[in-house]
Amino acid sequence: EVQLVESGGGLVQPGGSLRLSCAASGFTFSNFNMNWVRQAPGKGLEWISYITRSNTIYYADSVKGRFTVSRDNAKNSLYLQMNSLRAEDTAVYYCARDPSGRRFDPWGQGTLVTVSS
Amino acid sequence: DIQMTQSPSSVSASVGDRVTITCRASQDIANWLAWYQQKPGQAPTLLIYAASSLHSGAPSRFSGSGSGTDFTLTIGSLQPEDFATYYCQQGHSFPRTFGGGTKVEIK
Repeated sequence: EVQLVESGGGLVQPGGSLRLSCAASGFTFSNFNMNWVRQAPGKGLEWISYITRSNTIYYADSVKGRFTVSRDNAKNSLYLQMNSLRAEDTAVYYCARDPSGRRFDPWGQGTLVTVSS
Repeated sequence: DIQMTQSPSSVSASVGDRVTITCRASQDIANWLAWYQQKPGQAPTLLIYAASSLHSGAPSRFSGSGSGTDFTLTIGSLQPEDFATYYCQQGHSFPRTFGGGTKVEIK
């Protein structure tokens, strides 16, 4: 079964840092491009980052310069290093595979990040 | 950035109704359009990709159409498990963008 499991969320103060992880299983992780998508409480979906199999990377303007995406194919894992966190970064963060065709499938269950003092 | 505009933002319907949701892109995205369903407290799941291709495991009552800038998601006969929020997403270019969502509620 293809599965993505995020971890690392929690409560952090404004200006702080957090590192999210996404553990992949059930497929050959190194063969797929991956994404991070977030959803603020009660709001819609916002794409924030994309990393290809060969480590080409794209970011949304809202996180560029503060967030860094990376992957470790040997560990079947995707990461999101989040620095200089702001209240508006409060959201559930999802990792999602891109099965070619520029879509998101499947999604992990999400991990909640709360930025508050 | 490509803006995705969904309408309506919410719709009230009954079991058995036919429901249509539209999504308009601010520029031509060919058929790089996907639709997702999200139930409360759950992650989104893919329904339709490439504008009209039904994702494996998605019920056949869901269908998608359109190309260029105008797209439609149709639920042929609404079932109790279809009450959820639906999002469109463009895969034409970065940044990837989503529509604002359409909440399908019970009438």
